[in-house]
Amino acid sequence: SQKIEQNSEALNIQEGKTATLTCNYTNYSPAYLQWYRQDPGRGPVFLLLIRENEKEKRKERLKVTFDTTLKQSLFHITASQPADSATYLCALFHGSGNTGKLIFGQGTTLQVKP
Amino acid sequence: ETGVTQSPTHLIKTRGQQVTLRCSSQSGHNTVSWYQQALGQGPQFIFQYYREEENGRGNFPPRFSGLQFPNYSSELNVNALELDDSALYLCASSPTSGRPTEAFFGQGTRLTVV
Repeated sequence: SQKIEQNSEALNIQEGKTATLTCNYTNYSPAYLQWYRQDPGRGPVFLLLIRENEKEKRKERLKVTFDTTLKQSLFHITASQPADSATYLCALFHGSGNTGKLIFGQGTTLQVKP
Repeated sequence: ETGVTQSPTHLIKTRGQQVTLRCSSQSGHNTVSWYQQALGQGPQFIFQYYREEENGRGNFPPRFSGLQFPNYSSELNVNALELDDSALYLCASSPTSGRPTEAFFGQGTRLTVV
């Protein structure tokens, strides 16, 4: 069956360190992968989109990699800050023609301690 | 803020009742998707509307139904509520269907079924 898995355990790191979150998928061949941030009681907020022919994408302190051979994406936050504490969701775009949907992992909660 | 607004923000209903949740999409977006997010889980796709037509459906029973209006706002209706329907319901709008552009989420409606 198709699965998207993220680290279910919360990730606790010290301010200033690099946080690395993992997203693994099986039985998909996604052309695109997205990362979202979600704060408690709020809707997800889009962060980055990476295409299958892009190995790496950067935006300010964020970096995403996409390895279609390993079926894995890594999400890095460098120089982490307490304000980065949130749940991070990876999502695959699954669709064809004029229809499509996002399939989300369960999310990884990041806690950055000062 | 994404420009996507949902109402109400919180709702308590009794098992067996019916509920209608509303979503105003971002200006210029003709595609609205609805997601259900249980506590500690990622959002799960319910269905999508594109130009007032249902344009894809997830693994949800027929008692979950929806509408999209000419101004692209949308409603999610759930009949015969069950306790397991308690969740955060998210609406997401995007500028077009079938392409993996970023999704703009509303803040969600927290539904509690007692």
